[in-house]
Amino acid sequence: DVKVTQSSRYLVKRTGEKVFLECVQDMDHENMFWYRQDPGLGLRLIYFSYDVKMKEKGDIPEGYSVSREKKERFSLILESASTNQTSMYLCASSPHRGGELFFGEGSRLTVL
Amino acid sequence: EDKVVQSPLSLVVHEGDTVTLNCSYEVTNFRSLLWYKQEKKAPTFLFMLTSSGIEKKSGRLSSILDKKELFSILNITATQTGDSAVYLCAVEAGGGATNKLIFGTGTLLAVQP
Repeated sequence: DVKVTQSSRYLVKRTGEKVFLECVQDMDHENMFWYRQDPGLGLRLIYFSYDVKMKEKGDIPEGYSVSREKKERFSLILESASTNQTSMYLCASSPHRGGELFFGEGSRLTVL
Repeated sequence: EDKVVQSPLSLVVHEGDTVTLNCSYEVTNFRSLLWYKQEKKAPTFLFMLTSSGIEKKSGRLSSILDKKELFSILNITATQTGDSAVYLCAVEAGGGATNKLIFGTGTLLAVQP
């Protein structure tokens, strides 16, 4: 079974702190994604990556950056957390550019 | 602008009922439509649909796509409390290096004993 692991299930941070959300997949997938999920807004794509060291902006990249130094790991970085970044963050991977995504269990971030 | 709209936003049914969830879309360069089930954690994949009129079925769940009218339905028969979840519809659109999934806001289904 594909496993996508997000290292932190729950985090509480203060405004202005730097936040790292880590995601690791164990199925050698080329493609990895970061979404945030908010009530009434659904899942929105923040960043994605189709290869190591490659990154592309999604629909809402402002305030975020990413890092993909190794194929299995895709990190989401909040350089200076703000209260409007309180959300559920979901990482996903896929073997192909289209089709099914495999999701991690999510990281619920609260910024105070 | 690409969009995916799901209805209803939520519904409450009793065990044994049949439910139909709707997903309509307006996107450029449609490629596929996917359904996911999300309980309290990671969304899990249910179906991927690419062709009109061909029903996909898995146990009590089934889904069909209408590419002319731009919608899909997800049916659940003989519902059980374990079917309680948010059901997400996503449409893959675009092409080449830029295709991406656009998600609806989901339908929250609560199945009461």
